[in-house]
Amino acid sequence: GEDVEQSLFLSVREGDSSVINCTYTDSSSTYLYWYKQEPGAGLQLLTYIFSNMDMKQDQRLTVLLNKKDKHLSLRIADTQTGDSAIYFCAEDAGNMLTFGGGTRLMVKP
Amino acid sequence: NAGVTQTPKFQVLKTGQSMTLQCAQDMNHEYMSWYRQDPGMGLRLIHYSVGAGITDQGEVPNGYNVSRSTTEDFPLRLLSAAPSQTSVYFCASSYSQGTYEQYFGPGTRLTVT
Repeated sequence: GEDVEQSLFLSVREGDSSVINCTYTDSSSTYLYWYKQEPGAGLQLLTYIFSNMDMKQDQRLTVLLNKKDKHLSLRIADTQTGDSAIYFCAEDAGNMLTFGGGTRLMVKP
Repeated sequence: NAGVTQTPKFQVLKTGQSMTLQCAQDMNHEYMSWYRQDPGMGLRLIHYSVGAGITDQGEVPNGYNVSRSTTEDFPLRLLSAAPSQTSVYFCASSYSQGTYEQYFGPGTRLTVT
């Protein structure tokens, strides 16, 4: 459903940083996730953050969580053409994940 | 491990036909689920199962049935296909009832004419 919102599209140049934003609604979510979907493929879990954390860094990926504003972001440093994909944020609502509509990231050489 | 497998990859149905989308996992996961993906709408949960013999409805269950007779398999049945069911269907599984680290299958692209 559309309780989780993302912008539709982001275009960056290779080597720049990308920041993909997400707002969610369920303040009781335990985990928040970022998934990557490449063309014709299923979703791949990129990273996640536990709700009592503000930040998580994993190699080129940095996740920031602002619980007060219910805002989640994914920063990709040194973006490469292989990062071109659709990125979904999702919140954990007990037995199910609620996904945003996805942000299509296009990386220009 | 093969992970999560789905068959078929593509399917075209006529309105009113029925069919079963297959999903299997070899990771001994208790939790399995079915999502549909429509453009600009992310993934929406159709049905899920927390273990063999237990299923429950998700966000958009109408027109779909599921069963879970074994831990490995979680088929999704379309009873009478409608054009509104044209979508890409993903099966997912995870180790436990919590949704942490779900593994997704490659998807089935279904067109209903």
